[in-house]
Amino acid sequence: TQLLEQSPQFLSIQEGENLTVYCNSSSVFSSLQWYRQEPGEGPVLLVTVVTGGEVKKLKRLTFQFGDARKDSSLHITAAQPGDTGLYLCAGGGSNSGYALNFGKGTSLLVTP
Amino acid sequence: EAGVAQSPRYKIIEKRQSVAFWCNPISGHATLYWYQQILGQGPKLLIQFQNNGVVDDSQLPKDRFSAERLKGVDSTLKIQPAKLEDSAVYLCASSSQQTYGYTFGSGTRLTVV
Repeated sequence: TQLLEQSPQFLSIQEGENLTVYCNSSSVFSSLQWYRQEPGEGPVLLVTVVTGGEVKKLKRLTFQFGDARKDSSLHITAAQPGDTGLYLCAGGGSNSGYALNFGKGTSLLVTP
Repeated sequence: EAGVAQSPRYKIIEKRQSVAFWCNPISGHATLYWYQQILGQGPKLLIQFQNNGVVDDSQLPKDRFSAERLKGVDSTLKIQPAKLEDSAVYLCASSSQQTYGYTFGSGTRLTVV
């Protein structure tokens, strides 16, 4: 099983602040995905990155895939209370049958 | 399109009892996954189906867990007998191809007492 380490584990910030969440592994992934999960619900896909060095933007969220395809980061600009949730990174590759391996997640709380 | 449907949403059972969960994936999605998410952790893959065949069940505790996907559509996951450590949320997900993003259901929260 390919392990994904996420940091920080918990993050509590005020509305309007910026933050970055990290996802690291010693394994190379053919693709890496970020999900957000709210209490009582399943994870919802935010983005998929497949090319080393790739940067994708989704409104105030910026996702980057490391050049070596072993790590990724998620940056949120001007966080809002609606961004509160568990952010999960997940990697897949041919050696895992393309099934996703998930990190433990970063629990984000944005207070007004 | 309709999402991934799971039932029941909640289940409380005593240890050593049996329980079954049901999943109906998005229509046309060939790949179906069952994940176990223990509180405070990320989802852990239990089993992956491609149509009605098993692709990966290496992390499924086969002495007590079983899963099937008849006709390549709906799937059921069964636990018999349940242990206290099986308390978790069981998530079903589907994707149109193995390399695409998943759509998850809302999960079944199992409590074993």
